[in-house]
Amino acid sequence: DGGITQSPKYLFRKEGQNVTLSCEQNLNHDAMYWYRQDPGQGLRLIYYSQIVNDFQKGDIAEGYSVSREKKESFPLTVTSAQKNPTAFYLCASSIETGGIKDEQFFGPGTRLTVL
Amino acid sequence: GQQLNQSPQSMFIQEGEDVSMNCTSSSIFNTWLWYKQDPGEGPVLLIALYKAGELTSNGRLTAQFGITRKDSFLNISASIPSDVGIYFCAGQTGANSKLTFGKGITLSVRP
Repeated sequence: DGGITQSPKYLFRKEGQNVTLSCEQNLNHDAMYWYRQDPGQGLRLIYYSQIVNDFQKGDIAEGYSVSREKKESFPLTVTSAQKNPTAFYLCASSIETGGIKDEQFFGPGTRLTVL
Repeated sequence: GQQLNQSPQSMFIQEGEDVSMNCTSSSIFNTWLWYKQDPGEGPVLLIALYKAGELTSNGRLTAQFGITRKDSFLNISASIPSDVGIYFCAGQTGANSKLTFGKGITLSVRP
């Protein structure tokens, strides 16, 4: 069964701690993305990766870091430098970025709450 | 950068009614996508459009790629309670460009 998994579904952390959100896909997609969703603000792009060992900043990268050591995995670290980390985080993947049919498929999301 | 406009932010309809929502931009797009997000879940792709004027259906959903390439429409016919959710449009302006998302319309369906 192909798809994108994110774990955990809910995550609680104390202020000042770094936390890493997991994203795995078995769709054999080259491109992966991280979005942040806040109420009424739609989806905002944090980071994206078009290929293994390469990634680019999105619109709101400050306070976040990523790695892409394997095609299937694109973990996101929310660092203590992120001022408002509490949000719903969505991971997505597509065959490639900017291709003719750049349909992105989303995981179920992780809701991070920083206390 | 490109922006996609979706309004109103919320829509309330009665079960059984049809509803139409649109997505507009001042820029030309080559691809339009429509997603639905259930509460607490990730968005699910409903319909993808690749050609100006294209009209595509998926069950009770129909979407159109506007002739001007600056807008797209999604229609839901005979709404049911499970149609509740947030409907996002997304577009791509061309090769090597990332998807741009609208802010979404929250649909409520009264039984």
